[in-house]
Amino acid sequence: DTEVTQTPKHLVMGMTNKKSLKCEQHMGHRAMYWYKQKAKKPPELMFVYSYEKLSINESVPSRFSPECPNSSLLNLHLHALQPEDSALYLCASSQNRETYEQYFGPGTRLTVT
Amino acid sequence: GENVEQHPSTLSVQEGDSAVIKCTYSDSASNYFPWYKQELGKRPQLIIDIRSNVGEKKDQRIAVTLNKTAKHFSLHITETQPEDSAVYFCAASNDGGGSNYKLTFGKGTLLTVNP
Repeated sequence: DTEVTQTPKHLVMGMTNKKSLKCEQHMGHRAMYWYKQKAKKPPELMFVYSYEKLSINESVPSRFSPECPNSSLLNLHLHALQPEDSALYLCASSQNRETYEQYFGPGTRLTVT
Repeated sequence: GENVEQHPSTLSVQEGDSAVIKCTYSDSASNYFPWYKQELGKRPQLIIDIRSNVGEKKDQRIAVTLNKTAKHFSLHITETQPEDSAVYFCAASNDGGGSNYKLTFGKGTLLTVNP
């Protein structure tokens, strides 16, 4: 089973709102990733968690705050976003940080108004 | 850091023809090269990958070749079908100092297979 799930599928939020994106996998993977994808562009890496610890932070603005409560769950907390943050947010996982194959979730389509 | 160039940006073929997408990378330390297919509104799906100790890998109608000396790799799709229409991304792994592996993606190729 190579299933990574994400909720919600769509999210519309104002610039003063606080919301969270959720990602879950039950494949026993120990590395999880957040990517941002704008239309017609490749995914851009935001964060990497390995064994529930943040191991890569690609200089993402502090209005994005990741959290990894356990090895199966990954959250992305959003606060005071800008319209340019509107994008598809993809979660991915891999067996561990030394394993190359990454499997993506279906994404959350975020619109900031 | 790693830089991945992908060509062409768009490719249109007739059903049954072959399609070839090419990528070059800059970091000679990269040693893992996956290809992802992304249909409109869907997630990127890993369709095939190759490691640096292998020159070619095939899976049914899809094959990938790697030339480490020239630092380029290619995706070959034979007997294309309309359902192959999608955006294809190549990527290269970049060992960020020995502790993490991150993928650097090419800009993507929009493949259209015309019936």
